[in-house]
Amino acid sequence: DAGVIQSPRHEVTEMGQEVTLRCKPISGHNSLFWYRQTMMRGLELLIYFNNNVPIDDSGMPEDRFSAKMPNASFSTLKIQPSEPRDSAVYFCASSSSAGGRSTSGVYNEQFFGPGTRLTVL
Amino acid sequence: AQTVTQSQPEMSVQEAETVTLSCTYDTSESDYYLFWYKQPPSRQMILVIRQEAYKQQNATENRFSVNFQKAAKSFSLKISDSQLGDAAMYFCAYRRSVTSGSRLTFGEGTQLTVNP
Repeated sequence: DAGVIQSPRHEVTEMGQEVTLRCKPISGHNSLFWYRQTMMRGLELLIYFNNNVPIDDSGMPEDRFSAKMPNASFSTLKIQPSEPRDSAVYFCASSSSAGGRSTSGVYNEQFFGPGTRLTVL
Repeated sequence: AQTVTQSQPEMSVQEAETVTLSCTYDTSESDYYLFWYKQPPSRQMILVIRQEAYKQQNATENRFSVNFQKAAKSFSLKISDSQLGDAAMYFCAYRRSVTSGSRLTFGEGTQLTVNP
Protein backbone atom coordinates (compact mmCIF):
# COMPACT_ATOMS: atom_id res chain seq x y z
CA ASP A 1 0.00 0.00 0.00
CA ALA A 2 1.20 3.53 -0.75
CA GLY A 3 0.20 4.81 2.67
CA VAL A 4 -1.77 7.97 3.29
CA ILE A 5 -1.37 10.33 0.35
CA GLN A 6 -1.60 14.09 0.73
CA SER A 7 -1.45 16.78 -1.89
CA PRO A 8 0.01 19.20 -2.44
CA ARG A 9 3.16 18.71 -0.35
CA HIS A 10 3.78 22.44 -0.33
CA GLU A 11 1.41 25.32 -0.92
CA VAL A 12 2.22 29.01 -0.98
CA THR A 13 -0.66 31.38 -1.43
CA GLU A 14 -1.66 34.93 -0.76
CA MET A 15 -3.95 36.08 1.99
CA GLY A 16 -7.58 35.92 0.95
CA GLN A 17 -7.16 33.06 -1.49
CA GLU A 18 -8.96 29.75 -1.19
CA VAL A 19 -6.79 26.77 -0.29
CA THR A 20 -7.78 23.14 -0.72
CA LEU A 21 -5.77 20.33 0.82
CA ARG A 22 -6.39 16.76 -0.25
CA CYS A 23 -6.02 13.40 1.39
CA LYS A 24 -6.37 9.83 0.24
CA PRO A 25 -6.51 7.42 3.19
CA ILE A 26 -5.16 3.92 3.18
CA SER A 27 -7.52 1.59 1.39
CA GLY A 28 -9.82 -0.17 3.83
CA HIS A 29 -9.43 2.40 6.58
CA ASN A 30 -12.69 3.94 7.71
CA SER A 31 -11.46 6.67 10.06
CA LEU A 32 -9.78 9.81 8.80
CA PHE A 33 -8.22 12.63 10.80
CA TRP A 34 -6.99 16.11 9.94
CA TYR A 35 -4.30 17.54 12.25
CA ARG A 36 -2.51 20.87 12.17
CA GLN A 37 1.00 21.49 13.45
CA THR A 38 2.29 24.94 14.37
CA MET A 39 5.11 26.17 16.55
CA MET A 40 2.72 27.95 18.85
CA ARG A 41 0.05 25.27 19.30
CA GLY A 42 1.88 22.08 18.47
CA LEU A 43 -0.11 19.22 16.96
CA GLU A 44 -3.85 19.56 17.26
CA LEU A 45 -6.79 17.67 15.82
CA LEU A 46 -9.03 19.72 13.56
CA ILE A 47 -11.66 17.16 12.63
CA TYR A 48 -12.14 13.47 12.20
CA PHE A 49 -14.47 11.30 10.18
CA ASN A 50 -15.72 7.81 10.79
CA ASN A 51 -17.28 6.03 7.82
CA ASN A 52 -17.26 9.35 5.93
CA VAL A 53 -19.29 11.08 8.63
CA PRO A 54 -17.75 13.94 10.65
CA ILE A 55 -17.63 12.83 14.27
CA ASP A 56 -15.79 15.63 16.00
CA ASP A 57 -15.11 19.00 14.40
CA SER A 58 -14.54 20.89 17.63
CA GLY A 59 -10.96 21.58 16.64
CA MET A 60 -11.86 23.46 13.49
CA PRO A 61 -10.68 27.01 14.21
CA GLU A 62 -13.49 28.96 12.61
CA ASP A 63 -15.97 29.06 9.76
CA ARG A 64 -13.22 29.71 7.26
CA PHE A 65 -12.27 26.06 7.63
CA SER A 66 -14.37 23.27 6.19
CA ALA A 67 -13.73 19.59 5.60
CA LYS A 68 -15.52 17.01 3.52
CA MET A 69 -15.26 13.32 2.93
CA PRO A 70 -17.44 12.50 -0.08
CA ASN A 71 -16.33 8.88 -0.18
CA ALA A 72 -14.13 6.42 1.65
CA SER A 73 -11.08 7.21 -0.43
CA PHE A 74 -10.95 10.98 -0.45
CA SER A 75 -11.15 13.96 1.87
CA THR A 76 -10.56 17.68 1.51
CA LEU A 77 -9.76 20.44 3.95
CA LYS A 78 -10.61 23.87 2.61
CA ILE A 79 -9.68 27.28 3.95
CA GLN A 80 -11.56 30.22 2.51
CA PRO A 81 -10.38 32.93 2.78
CA SER A 82 -6.90 32.04 3.96
CA GLU A 83 -4.95 34.18 6.43
CA PRO A 84 -1.25 34.31 7.37
CA ARG A 85 -2.00 32.71 10.74
CA ASP A 86 -3.20 29.60 8.90
CA SER A 87 0.38 28.88 7.89
CA ALA A 88 1.20 25.46 9.28
CA VAL A 89 1.79 21.85 8.38
CA TYR A 90 -1.47 19.99 7.90
CA PHE A 91 -1.45 16.23 8.42
CA CYS A 92 -4.00 13.69 7.38
CA ALA A 93 -4.09 10.32 9.16
CA SER A 94 -6.23 7.23 8.75
CA SER A 95 -7.00 4.15 10.74
CA SER A 96 -9.20 1.12 10.69
CA SER A 97 -11.40 1.82 13.66
CA ALA A 98 -13.13 -0.80 15.70
CA GLY A 99 -13.34 0.58 19.19
CA GLY A 100 -9.60 0.85 19.16
CA ARG A 101 -8.97 -2.83 18.62
CA SER A 102 -9.77 -5.14 15.75
CA THR A 103 -11.58 -8.41 16.29
CA SER A 104 -8.20 -10.06 16.42
CA GLY A 105 -7.22 -7.79 19.28
CA VAL A 106 -4.67 -5.84 17.25
CA TYR A 107 -4.66 -2.15 17.89
CA ASN A 108 -5.77 0.00 14.95
CA GLU A 109 -2.94 2.45 14.53
CA GLN A 110 -3.32 5.87 12.97
CA PHE A 111 -1.08 6.18 9.95
CA PHE A 112 0.01 9.68 9.06
CA GLY A 113 0.52 11.18 5.63
CA PRO A 114 3.61 13.24 4.81
CA GLY A 115 1.80 16.51 5.51
CA THR A 116 1.15 19.66 3.50
CA ARG A 117 3.22 22.69 4.38
CA LEU A 118 0.98 25.72 3.87
CA THR A 119 2.37 29.22 3.74
CA VAL A 120 -0.04 32.13 3.50
CA LEU A 121 1.65 35.40 2.63
CA ALA B 1 -10.33 17.01 28.92
CA GLN B 2 -7.18 15.05 28.48
CA THR B 3 -3.85 16.83 28.50
CA VAL B 4 -0.35 15.64 27.72
CA THR B 5 2.74 17.42 28.98
CA GLN B 6 6.34 17.06 27.91
CA SER B 7 8.48 19.18 30.18
CA GLN B 8 11.72 18.83 28.22
CA PRO B 9 11.70 20.98 25.08
CA GLU B 10 15.19 19.76 24.17
CA MET B 11 17.41 16.83 25.11
CA SER B 12 20.78 15.66 23.88
CA VAL B 13 22.63 12.37 24.13
CA GLN B 14 25.92 10.95 23.03
CA GLU B 15 25.83 8.28 20.40
CA ALA B 16 25.59 4.79 21.94
CA GLU B 17 24.36 6.13 25.25
CA THR B 18 20.90 6.02 26.82
CA VAL B 19 18.42 8.85 27.09
CA THR B 20 15.00 9.12 28.73
CA LEU B 21 12.27 11.45 27.56
CA SER B 22 9.55 12.38 30.02
CA CYS B 23 5.81 12.61 29.56
CA THR B 24 2.93 13.09 31.94
CA TYR B 25 -0.76 13.12 31.18
CA ASP B 26 -4.05 13.82 32.83
CA THR B 27 -7.21 11.82 32.29
CA SER B 28 -10.20 10.52 34.17
CA GLU B 29 -10.45 7.48 31.93
CA SER B 30 -9.30 4.06 33.04
CA ASP B 31 -8.81 2.54 29.61
CA TYR B 32 -6.68 4.35 27.08
CA TYR B 33 -3.59 4.16 24.88
CA LEU B 34 -0.33 6.04 25.09
CA PHE B 35 2.13 6.51 22.26
CA TRP B 36 5.47 7.92 21.37
CA TYR B 37 5.80 9.33 17.86
CA LYS B 38 9.01 10.37 16.17
CA GLN B 39 9.12 13.24 13.70
CA PRO B 40 12.42 13.56 11.82
CA PRO B 41 13.25 16.59 9.68
CA SER B 42 11.25 15.02 6.86
CA ARG B 43 8.29 15.77 9.21
CA GLN B 44 6.81 12.31 8.69
CA MET B 45 5.07 11.14 11.87
CA ILE B 46 6.37 7.70 12.78
CA LEU B 47 4.93 5.57 15.55
CA VAL B 48 7.74 4.42 17.82
CA ILE B 49 5.94 2.54 20.55
CA ARG B 50 2.54 2.21 22.17
CA GLN B 51 1.22 1.16 25.55
CA GLU B 52 -2.27 0.01 26.47
CA ALA B 53 -3.27 1.25 29.88
CA TYR B 54 -4.76 -2.06 30.96
CA LYS B 55 -1.42 -3.80 30.44
CA GLN B 56 0.93 -3.59 33.40
CA GLN B 57 3.95 -4.77 31.45
CA ASN B 58 5.98 -1.97 29.93
CA ALA B 59 6.12 -2.03 26.13
CA THR B 60 9.44 -2.63 24.38
CA GLU B 61 10.42 -2.26 20.74
CA ASN B 62 14.06 -3.10 20.13
CA ARG B 63 16.08 -0.18 21.56
CA PHE B 64 12.96 1.68 22.66
CA SER B 65 11.16 0.98 25.90
CA VAL B 66 8.72 2.79 28.12
CA ASN B 67 8.27 3.22 31.84
CA PHE B 68 4.52 3.36 32.32
CA GLN B 69 3.41 4.46 35.77
CA LYS B 70 -0.38 4.50 35.64
CA ALA B 71 -0.98 5.81 39.13
CA ALA B 72 1.46 8.65 38.59
CA LYS B 73 0.16 9.20 35.02
CA SER B 74 3.69 9.09 33.74
CA PHE B 75 4.90 7.59 30.46
CA SER B 76 8.60 8.01 29.75
CA LEU B 77 10.52 6.77 26.72
CA LYS B 78 13.96 5.25 27.06
CA ILE B 79 16.19 5.03 24.02
CA SER B 80 19.14 2.70 24.49
CA ASP B 81 22.29 2.65 22.38
CA SER B 82 21.31 5.95 20.77
CA GLN B 83 22.02 6.27 17.06
CA LEU B 84 22.41 9.34 14.89
CA GLY B 85 19.19 8.41 13.14
CA ASP B 86 17.31 8.78 16.41
CA ALA B 87 17.70 12.55 16.22
CA ALA B 88 14.20 13.94 15.81
CA MET B 89 11.29 15.59 17.57
CA TYR B 90 9.51 13.11 19.82
CA PHE B 91 5.86 13.48 20.72
CA CYS B 92 4.00 11.74 23.48
CA ALA B 93 0.32 11.16 22.68
CA TYR B 94 -2.83 9.94 24.37
CA ARG B 95 -5.93 8.35 22.96
CA ARG B 96 -9.11 7.13 24.58
CA SER B 97 -9.95 3.58 23.71
CA VAL B 98 -13.71 3.79 24.16
CA THR B 99 -14.77 5.65 21.05
CA SER B 100 -13.81 4.16 17.72
CA GLY B 101 -11.43 6.35 15.79
CA SER B 102 -11.01 8.82 18.63
CA ARG B 103 -8.48 11.61 18.51
CA LEU B 104 -4.85 11.66 19.51
CA THR B 105 -3.89 14.37 21.99
CA PHE B 106 -0.22 15.30 21.67
CA GLY B 107 2.32 16.78 24.02
CA GLU B 108 4.45 19.75 23.06
CA GLY B 109 7.32 17.61 21.84
CA THR B 110 10.96 17.07 22.82
CA GLN B 111 13.71 17.79 20.32
CA LEU B 112 16.36 15.09 20.65
CA THR B 113 19.90 15.72 19.44
CA VAL B 114 22.33 12.82 19.13
CA ASN B 115 25.97 13.84 19.30
CA PRO B 116 28.57 11.73 17.49
